[in-house]
Amino acid sequence: DVKVTQSSRYLVKRTGEKVFLECVQDMDHENMFWYRQDPGLGLRLIYFSYDVKMKEKGDIPEGYSVSREKKERFSLILESASTNQTSMYLCASRGPGALGRYEQYFGPGTRLTVT
Amino acid sequence: AQKITQTQPGMFVQEKEAVTLDCTYDTSDPSYGLFWYKQPSSGEMIFLIYQGSYDQQNATEGRYSLNFQKARKSANLVISASQLGDSAMYFCAMRENRDDKIIFGKGTRLHILP
Repeated sequence: DVKVTQSSRYLVKRTGEKVFLECVQDMDHENMFWYRQDPGLGLRLIYFSYDVKMKEKGDIPEGYSVSREKKERFSLILESASTNQTSMYLCASRGPGALGRYEQYFGPGTRLTVT
Repeated sequence: AQKITQTQPGMFVQEKEAVTLDCTYDTSDPSYGLFWYKQPSSGEMIFLIYQGSYDQQNATEGRYSLNFQKARKSANLVISASQLGDSAMYFCAMRENRDDKIIFGKGTRLHILP
């Protein structure tokens, strides 16, 4: 079974702090993704990576950066946390899957509160 | 314009009844895939079922089936014999082959009543 883990389930940070959200997958997947989930807005893609040291902006990259130094690890960085970044953050990884479905496997999520 | 539309923000269904969750999509790419995910209160997104645009038959996975109507751009999820554990948020998503982006709908919250 694919396992995607995230470093924290719940996190409380202060405005202006630098925040690191870590994601690790154990299936040797090349593709990894960071989403944020807000009520009524569904999932919105922040950044994604198709390979080590490679990153692409998603739909809402402002205020975020990412790091992918190793294949299994994809980190999301909030350079200076703000209250509007209070949200649920979901990491996902993806391989070709059975029959080339390319389904994503998600971590348990990190609920971040910025005060 | 929204590419994935889930028109039911919430649904209440009696246990053991069948449930249909609506999803319509918009794409001009002839090659695409459609996904359904379940998100229980614990927060983790769980992959349920997949339908490829060229698949001839509707996808089925246990109690889940996908009612794929290509001409209507509709990909409704059907859950047969609903159970209390089916109470969760359900998301429809689409991946277009041309840009490999995965777009999610806003979700439907399903409540199964005992």
